[in-house]
Amino acid sequence: SQQGEEDPQALSIQEGENATMNCSYKTSINNLQWYRQNSGRGLVHLILIRSNEREKHSGRLRVTLDTSKKSSSLLITASRAADTASYFCATGGNAGGTSYGKLTFGQGTILTVHP
Amino acid sequence: GAGVSQSPSNKVTEKGKDVELRCDPISGHTALYWYRQSLGQGLEFLIYFQGNSAPDKSGLPSDRFSAERTGGSVSTLTIQRTQQEDSAVYLCASRRTGNNEQFFGPGTRLTVL
Repeated sequence: SQQGEEDPQALSIQEGENATMNCSYKTSINNLQWYRQNSGRGLVHLILIRSNEREKHSGRLRVTLDTSKKSSSLLITASRAADTASYFCATGGNAGGTSYGKLTFGQGTILTVHP
Repeated sequence: GAGVSQSPSNKVTEKGKDVELRCDPISGHTALYWYRQSLGQGLEFLIYFQGNSAPDKSGLPSDRFSAERTGGSVSTLTIQRTQQEDSAVYLCASRRTGNNEQFFGPGTRLTVL
């Protein structure tokens, strides 16, 4: 079962614009991760934000976390055509916890960036 | 270094046949996970291996599914008597002890006719 819900399900923008994707989850978390998937194959880890962090940056990526609302957002600034992919949030990746780090994924947002 | 590799990349089989999917994790990664991605169910956890501990099989959808991890490295996921609903992309991931990031392989796309 999917813990997270993401919105929008699909997002279409022009190159240079910013893309914002949101994720909500249901249970308490130790951290939340964002992954990217190209063409329905392997996932690539983008960024991890811990439950005691509110915001984190990595290059053109900015992630926020609001544990009171059980939600997170991923912002991609100055998007490029190469950013076209599916983006997933994932929770449960606490290697030291009882879930042993197994991830529960949201449904994902399909991002299309038009050149 | 090399990432997680999976084979075959694509597998087409007939309903009722058995299939074996292979995963080679990143060297030194003690944790290994199998996930399944299908249109109707999204990304689902299947099974988890950690060192020599008993695997967490809580995500396996039926007793037709089984997995092994030999020598703490290579893993095989076996699906017996395949059904059409088994059609999906099967993803393997590995993780280094003490790190929460999982590294995924390219997946095996299984099609059951």
